[in-house]
Amino acid sequence: EDKVVQSPLSLVVHEGDTVTLNCSYEVTNFRSLLWYKQEKKAPTFLFMLTSSGIEKKSGRLSSILDKKELFSILNITATQTGDSAVYLCAVVAGGTSYGKLTFGQGTILTVHP
Amino acid sequence: EPEVTQTPSHQVTQMGQEVILRCVPISNHLYFYWYRQILGQKVEFLVSFYNNEISEKSEIFDDQFSVERPDGSNFTLKIRSTKLEDSAMYFCASSGRDRWSEQYFGPGTRLTVT
Repeated sequence: EDKVVQSPLSLVVHEGDTVTLNCSYEVTNFRSLLWYKQEKKAPTFLFMLTSSGIEKKSGRLSSILDKKELFSILNITATQTGDSAVYLCAVVAGGTSYGKLTFGQGTILTVHP
Repeated sequence: EPEVTQTPSHQVTQMGQEVILRCVPISNHLYFYWYRQILGQKVEFLVSFYNNEISEKSEIFDDQFSVERPDGSNFTLKIRSTKLEDSAMYFCASSGRDRWSEQYFGPGTRLTVT
């Protein structure tokens, strides 16, 4: 069974801090890893990573994948209160899968002013 | 920017009743999904749908559940006889280029079974 574990489960920081969120996975026939931000309701897509060692970046957010060690990190620099959310990591298997996402339990990030 | 929409936002039903949750995926997308999230738990995959048929389903998706794309825009999830444990947030998602491309989620329908 595919498995995704995120750490820490929750994190409280102050505006301006840098945070690193972790995601480790076990999946048969790994295809890709995705990061989502979940505020009140729908998960919002952030990044999809398929290749090891290549950083994806969008503004203050960046992410990298290590396929050898089976983990990914999501970095947020100069955090703002608007970054407060649950950050979800999910993996997709290749082969006969039709894109089923297996999610971790999420990291709750709280950014105080 | 195109987005996935879902209706209703909240549905309250009695145990044993049938419910239909509706989704309008992004218009040029080809792959459609339902997920659910029980309060305080992980987001869980239910089913994927492509080319007018189910392509993959989880153990949760038993005979009580069905999906349909009745026209060119809507995608529905039906639960025939709801149970208390079906209470959850149900998310619809869609993806475009291929079955492994990023999925975009709708805002969800909160289903409460009493």
